[in-house]
Amino acid sequence: SYELTQPPSVSVSPGQTANITCSGDKLGDKYACWYQQKPGQSPVLVIYQDTKRPSGIPERFSGSNSGNTATLTISGTQAMDEADYYCQAWDSSTVVFGGGTKLTVL
Amino acid sequence: EVQLLESGGGLVQPGGSLRLSCAASGFTFSSYAMSWVRQAPGKGLEWVSSISGGGGHTYYADSVTGRFTISRDNSKNTLYLLMDSLRAEDTAVYYCAKGFVDLDYWGQGTLVTVSS
Repeated sequence: SYELTQPPSVSVSPGQTANITCSGDKLGDKYACWYQQKPGQSPVLVIYQDTKRPSGIPERFSGSNSGNTATLTISGTQAMDEADYYCQAWDSSTVVFGGGTKLTVL
Repeated sequence: EVQLLESGGGLVQPGGSLRLSCAASGFTFSSYAMSWVRQAPGKGLEWVSSISGGGGHTYYADSVTGRFTISRDNSKNTLYLLMDSLRAEDTAVYYCAKGFVDLDYWGQGTLVTVSS
């Protein structure tokens, strides 16, 4: 079965750039999306189709996908961005989530 | 405004059954695929099942195939998940979400606890 691998945790200082990676076999040939989940809340879609932002998502969120790695980039990270982030892709009629990355802003 | 409201969660014994519902509003329900995603306590997101807008195509995670059944009633704007032969490892918050891959709206979730 298809697997997506994320680092368990990423730390970033306020105002700096955070990069969260998601690895999978030939992931660049598929569409990847990203979700943000804060404690006690439902997930929120922040990037879809590799690079697109839903309405209401700040411009500091961006995405890329090439080769075996998709990346979520948060520029000028703010304290409010501290959350768990999950990548997701679709393979052979199956939806797959990465294990999640806890982003700490300190 | 898109709203998704799950219901039907609760405590059930191992081997038991439960049916979850998700009432949708604020969009043309029949035009969109819908999905169920679960999250065990303290764990990550796990896709469970999806269904096409018309209901003719269904998809399941290996972990629930043969035990769970997804369905929808487009006349009632409602999504369902029938869960049979429940196991302890099915304990989770179950979210209903709009879409198949790009899940752009999520409900607040309903907790299912499988325990004796």
